[in-house]
Order: sequence, then structure tokens, then C-alpha cells
Amino acid sequence: DAKTTQPTSMDCAEGRAANLPCNHSTISGNEYVYWYRQIHSQGPQYIIHGLKNNETNEMASLIITEDRKSSTLILPHATLRDTAVYYCIAEGGSNYKLTFGKGTLLTVNP
Amino acid sequence: NAGVMQNPRHLVRRRGQEARLRCSPMKGHSHVYWYRQLPEEGLKFMVYLQKENIIDESGMPKERFSAEFPKEGPSILRIQQVVRGDSAAYFCASSLRDTSNYGYTFGSGTRLTVV
Repeated sequence: DAKTTQPTSMDCAEGRAANLPCNHSTISGNEYVYWYRQIHSQGPQYIIHGLKNNETNEMASLIITEDRKSSTLILPHATLRDTAVYYCIAEGGSNYKLTFGKGTLLTVNP
Repeated sequence: NAGVMQNPRHLVRRRGQEARLRCSPMKGHSHVYWYRQLPEEGLKFMVYLQKENIIDESGMPKERFSAEFPKEGPSILRIQQVVRGDSAAYFCASSLRDTSNYGYTFGSGTRLTVV
């Protein structure tokens, strides 16, 4: 499993875009990048995942660099309810074990 | 369409008692996973089950912990003779397939406190 590195914490103003970086320099060719978030006292929530192309859904966008060694999760218009710990995970598509690190605590400020 | 249901949300047990945690997967999901989150730590994989089968229990402590997913009814994570170190949040997730390509759906967890 590729190790991921994320900043411990970040702040963002409400209504602005939140850009959460993740380094996964040892990612292998068959490993996807997944993002989950965990709002206080709740279970993790799946956000988005990708292999090498950029992805967008109703929650967020995922930008993966061409060499796949890093990625950025973008929340286009952060709200107070987006305050959570965000986990970046690199796992093979057939691997059912998600390896959660410490993640990034994103605090959205009014 | 209900999500993954876990109960109870909070469970308090005295040392030496048994704890039973229940997980009902999303409708149509036949793959269940249990994770444990110790205070101030990330989630750790414990066990992966399909109906009536344990597929991978490599993350389960060797003693006192067991899990099942019967043909009918919820998945059960059972902890016998609980100790203070078992205090944690236990999360269940379910999926349609045995790959993570589609993202897991997690329940809200059971917070076990051992006193």
C-alpha cells in the first residue's frame, strides 16, 4: 500500500474553495487515490476517487498530477458543515482494506 | 433507502463483560467490513465478511474478538471479557463488491466504553 502524506490541519474561509493536498510518491500503477472525510463523531464518508484522470462529482473535484505522485481534493465552495478530517488513501482497486492515516483536519471558518 | 445501520450507538461495559455490536449493511450489499478507531487515531481494518463466511480476519486481535455475518440478520462483532483497551469507536462498512472501486458506505459507529 502506498503511503500518503497530508498536512495535519488547514483553515478555509466559508464560501471559498478548499484545496487539500496529498502526496503519494510511491503509488503504483494499479493503485487508486480515494478521499474520505469524517465529521466529528460520525463514520467516514466516501467523497471521490480516481486513477489518473481528474474527477468531479457533486461533492468535490480530484486533481491528480500527471506523474501521479500527488493529488489535490477541491471543495469548490466550502461551508461550515465541511469541517472534518479528510483522509487521502492510495489502494489497489482490488484491495478491500483501506489504510487510514491521520488525515487533514479542515476547519471552515465563518 | 437506509444506509448502514449500527447499534447501539453507545455501549458501556464493565471489565470482563461481553460486548455485542451489530451492523446491518445497506440493502443489497453482501460484503461487510469492520474497522476500529482508537482515540486520536485513524481507522484500522479488523475483518471482512460475506454472508456466512469470514474472508479476512487479519486485523482482528487473536483472542476475545470474533465476528459473524449469518445468512439472516445483521453482522455481529463480539468482544468477550472486555478490557479498558477495547474502548474505541467501531465502524462497520458495506459494499456491493469485494473491491474498493466503488467506495464503501460506513455506518455511524458504536462507541464502546469499558469502565
